[in-house]
Amino acid sequence: GAGVSQSPSNKVTEKGKDVELRCDPISGHTALYWYRQSLGQGLEFLIYFQGNSAPDKSGLPSDRFSAERTGGSVSTLTIQRTQQEDSAVYLCASSLGGREGETQYFGPGTRLLVL
Amino acid sequence: AQSVSQHNHHVILSEAASLELGCNYSYGGTVNLFWYVQYPGQHLQLLLKYFSGDPLVKGIKGFEAEFIKSKFSFNLRKPSVQWSDTAEYFCAVMSSSASKIIFGSGTRLSIRP
Repeated sequence: GAGVSQSPSNKVTEKGKDVELRCDPISGHTALYWYRQSLGQGLEFLIYFQGNSAPDKSGLPSDRFSAERTGGSVSTLTIQRTQQEDSAVYLCASSLGGREGETQYFGPGTRLLVL
Repeated sequence: AQSVSQHNHHVILSEAASLELGCNYSYGGTVNLFWYVQYPGQHLQLLLKYFSGDPLVKGIKGFEAEFIKSKFSFNLRKPSVQWSDTAEYFCAVMSSSASKIIFGSGTRLSIRP
C-alpha cells in the first residue's frame, strides 16, 4: 500500500518568506508526527497529532512554526518568516493509533533550504 | 527530560567484521526502544524495537539489540556486516506515557568492500 508522502521534496526559499510543507499519512493512521533533521544532528520532535485530541506542540522551536491537520488526515507544517537556521529536512511520520510501542512510518522528507 | 546518546558518530568497518553500536538513554520509567536505519537516499525505516518481554530483540537483515535495563542501554549488534549495511543508524526511545519518540544523533556506518 501507499506509504507516507510529503511535498515538496525540495524547497528553496529566501529568508523572511513563509513556507508550507505537506504530509499525507498512511490511510487509516490516526497519529501523525513532524520531525526536523538538521545537518549532522539527530531527529528533533516538533509536533504530534492524535485523532481529534489537542496536538502536542511541545517540540516547536518558536512561534514562527505552526501545524494543522485537517479532517484527521493531511497535515501542513507552516514556517513563517523563515530564517537560515530553519534549513533542514522535515520528516513526517504516521502510526496506526499512537499507542505505546507502535511503529511509526516515515515519509521521504522535505529538504528546506533558506537562503 | 528524556535523552538518547549515541557515542559513535561514524564507524568504519570491513565486510564480515562484527558490529556493535552503542545507545544509552536517560529515563527512569518504562520505555519502548527502537533502532531506525536510513539507507542512502531512502526513508527512515524501523530495524527493530523493544516493547516488552525478551530483552534480546531480533530485527531485519540479521540485526539484533539487547535491552539492559540496569545500564540504560540498547546496543545494536550484527555478527558479520555487509557492504549493503552502509547507512545511518538512529536509536530512539519512547516513554510508556508519551507517544513522541526521542532520537539520538545517529551513527553513520561505512563498510569497506
